[in-house]
Amino acid sequence: KQEVTQIPAALSVPEGENLVLNCSFTDSAIYNLQWFRQDPGKGLTSLLLIQSSQREQTSGRLNASLDKSSGRSTLYIAASQPGDSATYLCAVSTYNNNDMRFGAGTRLTVKP
Amino acid sequence: GAVVSQHPSWVICKSGTSVKIECRSLDFQATTMFWYRQFPKQSLMLMATSNEGSKATYEQGVEKDKFLINHASLTLSTLTVTSAHPEDSSFYICSARDPASGTDTQYFGPGTRLTVL
Repeated sequence: KQEVTQIPAALSVPEGENLVLNCSFTDSAIYNLQWFRQDPGKGLTSLLLIQSSQREQTSGRLNASLDKSSGRSTLYIAASQPGDSATYLCAVSTYNNNDMRFGAGTRLTVKP
Repeated sequence: GAVVSQHPSWVICKSGTSVKIECRSLDFQATTMFWYRQFPKQSLMLMATSNEGSKATYEQGVEKDKFLINHASLTLSTLTVTSAHPEDSSFYICSARDPASGTDTQYFGPGTRLTVL
């Protein structure tokens, strides 16, 4: 059974800092990996999706990498802003997008 | 873009009552919808997969008689928490797939906060 772990559980940084969020998974035979953002009491917003055959995806200040062999993904956020404050969730699909397994998330606070 | 709504956004009920949560795809037809539960500071856990016109598929450990799922139309799935107890208090999130998109991307609703007193 796929297990997804995210480290750290919480992170607080000053505005402008670059930061890295980590996600690890136990079964390297994945279909894809997604990073989501969740604001308090809200649903999920998809940020980046990396297919099994890809190594990274970029969107604006966000860059996600995938290393299947080591069971790891990182989400890099450049020049962080207070508006980036949210919980970031990593989700791994093994067979298709019907079986996403989520990590517990990293709660990010960017201080002005 | 594909939009999924949930109603209500929050609900408070007494122990022993039943609560129905609706999940709607607003601008697309969803043959498959998913129900997740999220406890505070924990990850989303898939409860069940709902297919239009057929019975839902429940994940291991989820009581199908307690969490009734009905996907009667291509735009609506409902989750009914029967005889709710305080331990059922959680954040329930649905998602839906748009088969016309050509991908199996899930679009998530905003969630429903259930508090059972």
